[in-house]
Amino acid sequence: EDQVTQSPEALRLQEGESSSLNCSYTVSGLRGLFWYRQDPGKGPEFLFTLYSAGEEKEKERLKATLTKKESFLHITAPKPEDSATYLCAVHLGSGNTGKLIFGQGTTLQVKP
Amino acid sequence: GAVVSQHPSWVICKSGTSVKIECRSLDFQATTMFWYRQFPKQSLMLMATSNEGSKATYEQGVEKDKFLINHASLTLSTLTVTSAHPEDSSFYICSARGASGSTGSEQYFGPGTRLTVT
Repeated sequence: EDQVTQSPEALRLQEGESSSLNCSYTVSGLRGLFWYRQDPGKGPEFLFTLYSAGEEKEKERLKATLTKKESFLHITAPKPEDSATYLCAVHLGSGNTGKLIFGQGTTLQVKP
Repeated sequence: GAVVSQHPSWVICKSGTSVKIECRSLDFQATTMFWYRQFPKQSLMLMATSNEGSKATYEQGVEKDKFLINHASLTLSTLTVTSAHPEDSSFYICSARGASGSTGSEQYFGPGTRLTVT
């Protein structure tokens, strides 16, 4: 069964304290792994897409990496405005029938 | 680019009535649109996938007669919750994906619609 698991469920950091969020997956036919940020009461905001093991992408204080079994979202020197829920999703299927399966998310709180 | 809007952003309706939620892709043509439901402190659960001009594909356990989806154009999809009940109260989010080469395989999400059924 296709499954996406994120850990930890919640993470509290002090401003400037770097850390990593994990997304492990067991799927057949992975066509991409996505990271989104979601603020309370809002829709998810696209961050990154990773397609193959070894791939890395960066955006400001965030860096996403991918292996054959998991992805990490590294947060370097976080700021309070980075507080949000970070969602990982895997893209399954092909063509227009492809869909995203989401993990449960990691809620990050960065304290000043 | 790749902006998706939803309307309304929140709605309150009485039990037994129907409510329609619109999802629009503003700056690209969405060949595929998705509807998700999110309960408090839970992740997004895919309800259905719709391709322009064809019938929606519903996920297991989602009642297609209760959640009517219409994807009449490349920029508009609607979700109608029929005979709503309090247990249908949730946060409904749509997403859109363009043709290959436009937005890639990324899905872009709308801001969500908070439905409360009293």
